[in-house]
Amino acid sequence: NAGVTQTPKFRILKIGQSMTLQCAQDMNHNYMYWYRQDPGMGLKLIYYSVGAGITDKGEVPNGYNVSRSTTEDFPLRLELAAPSQTSVYFCASSYSWERTGELFFGEGSRLTVL
Amino acid sequence: QKEVEQDPGPLSVPEGAIVSLNCTYSNSAFQYFMWYRQYSRKGPELLMYTYSSGNKEDGRFTAQVDKSSKYISLFIRDSQPSDSATYLCAMRLNSGAGSYQLTFGKGTKLSVIP
Repeated sequence: NAGVTQTPKFRILKIGQSMTLQCAQDMNHNYMYWYRQDPGMGLKLIYYSVGAGITDKGEVPNGYNVSRSTTEDFPLRLELAAPSQTSVYFCASSYSWERTGELFFGEGSRLTVL
Repeated sequence: QKEVEQDPGPLSVPEGAIVSLNCTYSNSAFQYFMWYRQYSRKGPELLMYTYSSGNKEDGRFTAQVDKSSKYISLFIRDSQPSDSATYLCAMRLNSGAGSYQLTFGKGTKLSVIP
């Protein structure tokens, strides 16, 4: 099993451009999450999904959008990229609400906005 | 006062030493407590997951939770160079919309010197 797979691993964007970070998991987990990690800061939740067709905002959702059309995939869309979105983005999944603390993370997508 | 405080280190110890990593928190509603290990340029991976107060042991790792003091610890016995990583504490609520989100500390960078 591959676990949680994120693409791309690295990307440089210009201010105002848009892009989608891809995330796929093969563990049949219902719950999926997007976190961002900034230097010297704890991971912050951007969006999460409790199943196909159901998404909700986390702590820092502004400037992002998500969709969840299948159990496996949870893409994160950045619209009108800004330097403040320079960060490392991690997709994660968990089996259930009870096991929300047992997150399986991808290897991250490093995004730089210039 | 930040919700979760964690000394960022860096912490450098000789191989075989006992390592103590700590976090304090302010929200008494946190019920679940986790420790994640993150190697450089990788995603976090779950080490320990505890509920409420008490100790939990897994091999060379022991997690302690003291809810009365709002203080959690991770002990690593017989530390190895392969333990060199950043250690993130995390915690979550037991109920409500916020229970889908983990609140992370900033992480402590540990180096174990051979």
